[in-house]
Amino acid sequence: GESVGLHLPTLSVQEGDNSIINCAYSNSASDYFIWYKQESGKGPQFIIDIRSNMDKRQGQRVTVLLNKTVKHLSLQIAATQPGDSAVYFCAENPSLGGNKLVFGAGTILRVKS
Amino acid sequence: EPEVTQTPSHQVTQMGQEVILRCVPISNHLYFYWYRQILGQKVEFLVSFYNNEISEKSEIFDDQFSVERPDGSNFTLKIRSTKLEDSAMYFCATGARWDNEQFFGPGTRLTVL
Repeated sequence: GESVGLHLPTLSVQEGDNSIINCAYSNSASDYFIWYKQESGKGPQFIIDIRSNMDKRQGQRVTVLLNKTVKHLSLQIAATQPGDSAVYFCAENPSLGGNKLVFGAGTILRVKS
Repeated sequence: EPEVTQTPSHQVTQMGQEVILRCVPISNHLYFYWYRQILGQKVEFLVSFYNNEISEKSEIFDDQFSVERPDGSNFTLKIRSTKLEDSAMYFCATGARWDNEQFFGPGTRLTVL
C-alpha cells in the first residue's frame, strides 16, 4: 500500500544546532519526494525535493538524503533558527502514472533560543 | 515571487449547503490540485486536474465534489451538499510540470455547522 510515516512527532533543538527530521516511506515505486514546511495557519511551503535517481541534494541550509534500500528520507537543517519552527512534512509521489502527493503525518520542530 | 492565492480564507456554512472554493494558480502552471487537511492531521490528496479534465481523484472525492476551471484562470472546488466531516483546511496547489514541485496556496478554512 501507499504510506508515508514519520519517526518523531516532535523535535526540540537549540538555536544554532543542526536538525534532522526523518521519514519512512513504504512504496518502493515512489520516484519523487518533497519536504514541505508548514507554519501555523499557512499552506505547505516547498523546501527541497529529490528524485529517486539521487541519494543527496543540497539547498540553502538544508540537505535531503534518500536511502532507497531502507526506504528512508531525511531532512537536515543546518544552524537551526527560530524561524525554522514549524511542522515539517515529507511527501512522496507514488508514480504509477499519477502525480498526486502522499503526505506523511508531520514532525513538529521547536527551536529553543 | 508568484504565489497561489485562494478565496475565501474562511468559509462558514450550514450542513447541506453548497460551497465553492476558489484558487488562482501561478500563471504559467498547467497542473492543478486540491488537498485537504483536517485539523491536526496530515494533508490528503483530493483531486488533480490537467487540460480541463480530472487526472486522478481519491476516495474522498465522491459525487458531492466537483472541480472546474470556468474562465481559464480560476480553479474551483465545489462541494454540493456539505457534511460536518467536510470541515477542514482546503489547499489548492499548482505545478508547471506533472513530475515537479507543487506550490500550495494559503488555504481556505471550511467550517460546516
